[in-house]
Amino acid sequence: GAGVSQSPRYKVTKRGQDVALRCDPISGHVSLYWYRQALGQGPEFLTYFNYEAQQDKSGLPNDRFSAERPEGSISTLTIQRTEQRDSAMYRCASSLSPDQPQHFGDGTRLSIL
Amino acid sequence: AQTVTQSQPEMSVQEAETVTLSCTYDTSESDYYLFWYKQPPSRQMILVIRQEAYKQQNATENRFSVNFQKAAKSFSLKISDSQLGDAAMYFCAYRSSGANSKLTFGKGITLSVRP
Repeated sequence: GAGVSQSPRYKVTKRGQDVALRCDPISGHVSLYWYRQALGQGPEFLTYFNYEAQQDKSGLPNDRFSAERPEGSISTLTIQRTEQRDSAMYRCASSLSPDQPQHFGDGTRLSIL
Repeated sequence: AQTVTQSQPEMSVQEAETVTLSCTYDTSESDYYLFWYKQPPSRQMILVIRQEAYKQQNATENRFSVNFQKAAKSFSLKISDSQLGDAAMYFCAYRSSGANSKLTFGKGITLSVRP
């Protein structure tokens, strides 16, 4: 597609539920990144992939968070047993290669009730 | 670990005037990249400008330019002829030139433009 596409745009769920956030990167982009942005703050790195390989997951807050990119294109960020502190904007970005600029999607606004 | 600091939470500029947004960073690396991203009320994240640390020449993109001071670890953004559409949150970001290409962001600065 023309840009990075994220879905859903908004997600409201009850505490304790699992959620899956989807990212469809720009076609042909090798690298894919996940960030989390709290209101009024800058994005914080969660994890990233080159092709299907997860290169760095050091930013994932705990083991309730996981991400995959099984075919080297679309990626899913999964949060299990959600907690209120997980509420934030989750952003995906992609780049043509690791050394090229990252292009961001519009994000998924996650609210945990 | 690298850190990025944007110490001014808010700034305001008169339309058509020039404004400078400050950013400092801390790193032990000699080669890296610096970026400014714009986040308008629509919540998009738009790349404004990019600077490679090994380049001495300051990057420019139309009305946007940077003042990169490597020794001082300073990377400010100058917006000339400010327009109403420039009103947004601006984030400074750092990226290593090494294998790990993750971005480290500052907290951002909210720029308002007065008509």
